[in-house]
Amino acid sequence: GENVEQHPSTLSVQEGDSAVIKCTYSDSASNYFPWYKQELGKRPQLIIDIRSNVGEKKDQRIAVTLNKTAKHFSLHITETQPEDSAVYFCAAYTSGTYKYIFGTGTRLKVLA
Amino acid sequence: ETGVTQSPTHLIKTRGQQVTLRCSSQSGHNTVSWYQQALGQGPQFIFQYYREEENGRGNFPPRFSGLQFPNYSSELNVNALELDDSALYLCASSLEREGQTQYFGPGTRLLVL
Repeated sequence: GENVEQHPSTLSVQEGDSAVIKCTYSDSASNYFPWYKQELGKRPQLIIDIRSNVGEKKDQRIAVTLNKTAKHFSLHITETQPEDSAVYFCAAYTSGTYKYIFGTGTRLKVLA
Repeated sequence: ETGVTQSPTHLIKTRGQQVTLRCSSQSGHNTVSWYQQALGQGPQFIFQYYREEENGRGNFPPRFSGLQFPNYSSELNVNALELDDSALYLCASSLEREGQTQYFGPGTRLLVL
């Protein structure tokens, strides 16, 4: 079945450094890839997304890149801040299936 | 514009019982998806409702069922509860069923004893 692998499971960075989280999806027909941030005890919140006709998208300190050939997409956070500490989930969506497949999450800790 | 709401926030049930969880979609959204999130895991897709019909289903047994009402709010029903059903249940609404941004509710935390 469809699968999304996410790495690393935990990531610690110093404040101001960059953080990169990587996901690999199995369904080559997947065409929409959102990233969610989930703080402890709170709902997942969309932080950025990318569609398969775009290779890269940026929103201030956050960027996502997509490599369709490798079935791989990544989240990049620059100039990390303590409030970036949370669990981040990637997801992949395939048109016509109506379902999102989520990765297992990355716990990001930004050390002050 | 109101966000996605869920009720109740917490629930404790015993094995074998039945439970109903409720979700109100964001204003203007006609699609609701339900997810199960076990501790330390990513959300697992249960099913999606679009205009009152089930529109897609993940790998969950038939004892997980749902409804969507004309106002697009939705219910998730779980029969014959098992210990492994203990999880956070999230609903998410979107403007349409196809590849739209999903907005999550705060979740219902279910504990099965």
